[in-house]
Amino acid sequence: EIVMTQSPATLSVSPGERATLSCRASQSVSSNLAWYQQKPGQVPRLLIYGASTRATGIPARFSGSGSGTEFTLTISSLQSEDFAVYYCQQYNHWPGLTFGGGTKVEIK
Amino acid sequence: EVQLVQSGAEVKKPGESLKISCQGSGYSFTSYWIGWARQMPGKGLEWMGIIYPGDSDTKYSPSFQGQVTISADKSISTAYLQWSGLKASDTAMYYCARSSGRYRPFDYWGQGTLVTVSS
Repeated sequence: EIVMTQSPATLSVSPGERATLSCRASQSVSSNLAWYQQKPGQVPRLLIYGASTRATGIPARFSGSGSGTEFTLTISSLQSEDFAVYYCQQYNHWPGLTFGGGTKVEIK
Repeated sequence: EVQLVQSGAEVKKPGESLKISCQGSGYSFTSYWIGWARQMPGKGLEWMGIIYPGDSDTKYSPSFQGQVTISADKSISTAYLQWSGLKASDTAMYYCARSSGRYRPFDYWGQGTLVTVSS
């Protein structure tokens, strides 16, 4: 089973600053990597798929990059509504469509 | 409008059986995969398995193989997740989500079903 490792576990950022989140796969997942945002008490929301394509309605301040085993989610200028937990998920290797452990983005 | 509507919260005792549901609407239910994910209290997301309602092709994550059963009834656009003998460690929120196919992400999610197992 592919292991997805996210870092850091917690990221403290001031509003308006840039946030950079990392996700590493234990073996190549090509570009079949998605990022999800989950706020407390809410359902996960698809942000990025194909490693770099924004999902419908996702603001341009969210961007994704990477391929193979190393991936990055960047939030260019954090807004108050962006403080949440972010998960990466590989969907290249079925059926174990593994998630990373998550990165919590909190207000500094 | 695409919707995945899950059944309501459940409180069960250890050893009991349970079947929760996820009903899709607003799209062709038989043309998309439906997957299930678990989120234990205060923890991250874990993928459980996936089914293609068009032909009931089902695949399980190794961690959940033999622990749960995933099924679907395409006549009522509903997928199911069931347990035959619940444990306290099954206490979690369970989400269903849809994907248009292999190498495609899960774009719509159900609202979640909270399962509590306690004696």
